[in-house]
Amino acid sequence: GAGVSQSPSNKVTEKGKDVELRCDPISGHTALYWYRQSLGQGLEFLIYFQGNSAPDKSGLPSDRFSAERTGGSVSTLTIQRTQQEDSAVYLCASSKGQGRNEKLFFGSGTQLSVL
Amino acid sequence: AQSVTQLDSQVPVFEEAPVELRCNYSSSVSVYLFWYVQYPNQGLQLLLKYLSGSTLVESINGFEAEFNKSQTSFHLRKPSVHISDTAEYFCAVATGFQKLVFGTGTRLLVSP
Repeated sequence: GAGVSQSPSNKVTEKGKDVELRCDPISGHTALYWYRQSLGQGLEFLIYFQGNSAPDKSGLPSDRFSAERTGGSVSTLTIQRTQQEDSAVYLCASSKGQGRNEKLFFGSGTQLSVL
Repeated sequence: AQSVTQLDSQVPVFEEAPVELRCNYSSSVSVYLFWYVQYPNQGLQLLLKYLSGSTLVESINGFEAEFNKSQTSFHLRKPSVHISDTAEYFCAVATGFQKLVFGTGTRLLVSP
């Protein structure tokens, strides 16, 4: 597609429910990143995919968070048993390859609100 | 581990005034530095980056940033801002592959 697409754009859920956030990267981009943007915080790195594998999961805040990527394209970030502190904007980004020269293209994010 | 500090959460300025958005980083290894911008209701976009070479880098819309290794800074400047520059600006640092560590952001508010 023309850009990184994320869905839904907004998600309101009740505490304890599971949610799935979807990211469609730019076609042909092999690298995919998930970040979280909380109020008053910077963008917090969550996980990075190169192809379908995730060489860096170091940013996932707890075992309630998981992510997968299939076919080297679409990625899903799953949060189980959501808590109020999970409320944030979840951003996905993709780039052509791995490395510091590669420009990241960001989606518009999913605003998650846990009541 | 790398970290980025943006001390100013909000910077209000009048149109056509100069502006500087401050960014300091900490890292024990060579770094690559970035400024990303988020306009209202839009996604993050790369504004400019420093990888190597000249320490002064420029964007197409008049912003510039200077890498200062001794002061571990990468401040963003523009000599004359426009209303359309109103946005949130994020400084970021990366080492190795592009795992960016972002600052908390600075909201630039330009008024007439």
